[in-house]
Amino acid sequence: DARVTQTPRHKVTEMGQEVTMRCQPILGHNTVFWYRQTMMQGLELLAYFRNRAPLDDSGMPKDRFSAEMPDATLATLKIQPSEPRDSAVYFCASAPPRDTQYFGPGTRLTVL
Amino acid sequence: AQSVSQHNHHVILSEAASLELGCNYSYGGTVNLFWYVQYPGQHLQLLLKYFSGDPLVKGIKGFEAEFIKSKFSFNLRKPSVQWSDTAEYFCAVTLYNQGGKLIFGQGTELSVKP
Repeated sequence: DARVTQTPRHKVTEMGQEVTMRCQPILGHNTVFWYRQTMMQGLELLAYFRNRAPLDDSGMPKDRFSAEMPDATLATLKIQPSEPRDSAVYFCASAPPRDTQYFGPGTRLTVL
Repeated sequence: AQSVSQHNHHVILSEAASLELGCNYSYGGTVNLFWYVQYPGQHLQLLLKYFSGDPLVKGIKGFEAEFIKSKFSFNLRKPSVQWSDTAEYFCAVTLYNQGGKLIFGQGTELSVKP
């Protein structure tokens, strides 16, 4: 049963520190999405990639967030420097061409 | 701008009651429609989807949804809910030919009392 995996599952850090979240999409899925979920804002799309190329990162604060896909099996989301308002659950999802997105278990980030 | 609206923020039902959660979207073109469920502390899981064909789609765990194009709606239904259906439910829309980006509704929290 293929699944999207994310690491770490939980991260507690102090304000100003760099945070890196990783996602392994399902093999064969060519589109990868990063979402952020908070109580106040709900689910927000931060960025997404197709065939490793960034398609849209308009939802991402550019000054501190960056997303990359170094290869087809790894997507990363970095926050540098982190701030308390970045505390949220970050989900990665992957999808085959023109089909359903499957979500990973999420990374719960707490920035103190 | 395209948007998805879920009518109810929080629904409370007793076990065996029938469920209907409303979802409307604002987009005139071709759409793909989804319902996802998020159990407490877990990730989003696909309940069902509509791409084309029969507008009444059946999903997992006894859920179904009906796409009514003229009303821009995709309501979720279940004839008899169980305590284990307690979760948050998200309606989402993908705009065809726009990269597969999902637009989510704000979610409906369902609480089922045993």
